[in-house]
Amino acid sequence: QVQLVESQGGVVQPGKSLRLSCVASGFTFSSYAMHWVRQAPGKGLEWVAVISHEGGIKDYAESVQGRFTISRDNSKNTLFLEMRSLRPDDTAIYYCARDDRSYIGLGPMTHWGQGTLVTVSS
Amino acid sequence: SYVLTQPPSVSVAPGKTASITCGGDNIGTKSVHWYQQKPGQAPMVVVYDDTGRPSGIPERFSGSNSGNTATLTFSRAEAGDEADYYCQVWDSSSNHYVFGTGTKVTVL
Repeated sequence: QVQLVESQGGVVQPGKSLRLSCVASGFTFSSYAMHWVRQAPGKGLEWVAVISHEGGIKDYAESVQGRFTISRDNSKNTLFLEMRSLRPDDTAIYYCARDDRSYIGLGPMTHWGQGTLVTVSS
Repeated sequence: SYVLTQPPSVSVAPGKTASITCGGDNIGTKSVHWYQQKPGQAPMVVVYDDTGRPSGIPERFSGSNSGNTATLTFSRAEAGDEADYYCQVWDSSSNHYVFGTGTKVTVL
């Protein structure tokens, strides 16, 4: 069955960096677009970034544009999110999610990891 | 940026029918997906592409989309339907994915 397992988050100081990873199994990872979605404590879902199946197309929410970088290693079935210049309002549970399609666009996010908590605090 | 507006909360009696709306400019021209999120769990899709239902999702759940409003409806409400529900679209003008504000459903 499809499994998405995010790396441990943690507490990081404002202005610092953190890299999240998400290991996929149970499907052909290289065939699907992948997302990062976050949820601040007690708040709603916020889409963060998407990457196409081959990694050539990426897009970001305005709130993270220029600070976060999404990438993938299809040989290792792994999705990454490099987060720089972290701010307290980046505190959230970060989910990786698999799209239903290969390319960016209309597909729903059909499978989700359990999420990892990132806390940005001094 | 594209905005999706949902009512903060909806209450429904057991066995009755509930509807959750998702308002957006010309949302009827977009494909709408709906997610259910129970406390402490990751979201899961319950309706995709306006009306599609993934395998394992009860027929009680259905969707519609027209004009400026998309709607998720579930009939014969059960205690297990208590959750937060989010609509979601892809905005082609910005290439961004957008989630609705979320609706907390209470079955009482």
